[in-house]
Amino acid sequence: DSGVTQTPKHLITATGQRVTLRCSPRSGDLSVYWYQQSLDQGLQFLIQYYNGEERAKGNILERFSAQQFPDLHSELNLSSLELGDSALYFCASSGGTGNQPQHFGDGTRLSIL
Amino acid sequence: GENVEQHPSTLSVQEGDSAVIKCTYSDSASNYFPWYKQELGKRPQLIIDIRSNVGEKKDQRIAVTLNKTAKHFSLHITETQPEDSAVYFCAASIRDSGYALNFGKGTSLLVTP
Repeated sequence: DSGVTQTPKHLITATGQRVTLRCSPRSGDLSVYWYQQSLDQGLQFLIQYYNGEERAKGNILERFSAQQFPDLHSELNLSSLELGDSALYFCASSGGTGNQPQHFGDGTRLSIL
Repeated sequence: GENVEQHPSTLSVQEGDSAVIKCTYSDSASNYFPWYKQELGKRPQLIIDIRSNVGEKKDQRIAVTLNKTAKHFSLHITETQPEDSAVYFCAASIRDSGYALNFGKGTSLLVTP
């Protein structure tokens, strides 16, 4: 158990819909990273938050957004879903800024029908 | 941005043999290099990491070496066991991306009894 909690574990929805994925970091961790894992693209960094503020953006589509709340949990919002958005979405947390080990949650498997 | 290449994509070894996975990175500003193990349907699990001021690090049967001049790093697993079978990912992080991880495409390791 990494201490990072992600919900839901599975999500099945249709094209054009909007979903919200939730992540609770390990106790004491201030940084949250979101990654997407798909067969063709591998593991790709989407976005990072530190203590409530956006710190870095990766290959995140404009249809996707995220936020980190005062209790440090984070949500990733995916809208106008397309078939190609089907993937595993992982959240990872680390202790702070700098090169701290990142610990991954169990992921949310998103399937678009 | 940072580009991480990983070889081989698949590796099959006999139980008890050694396995070596190699990665190269492109950005000389990269300064942190973790390795993750991912079993089927599970989360990536951090197994070892190395920082740019260190050339080698060992943890029981696992070791990582880093050559900053050549921009490559390797994972060495000795005395392999069937439970080592998994997909292994190397990664590199740079400060300018909020220390987010850029991952290699992964190596599927199979250890046969």
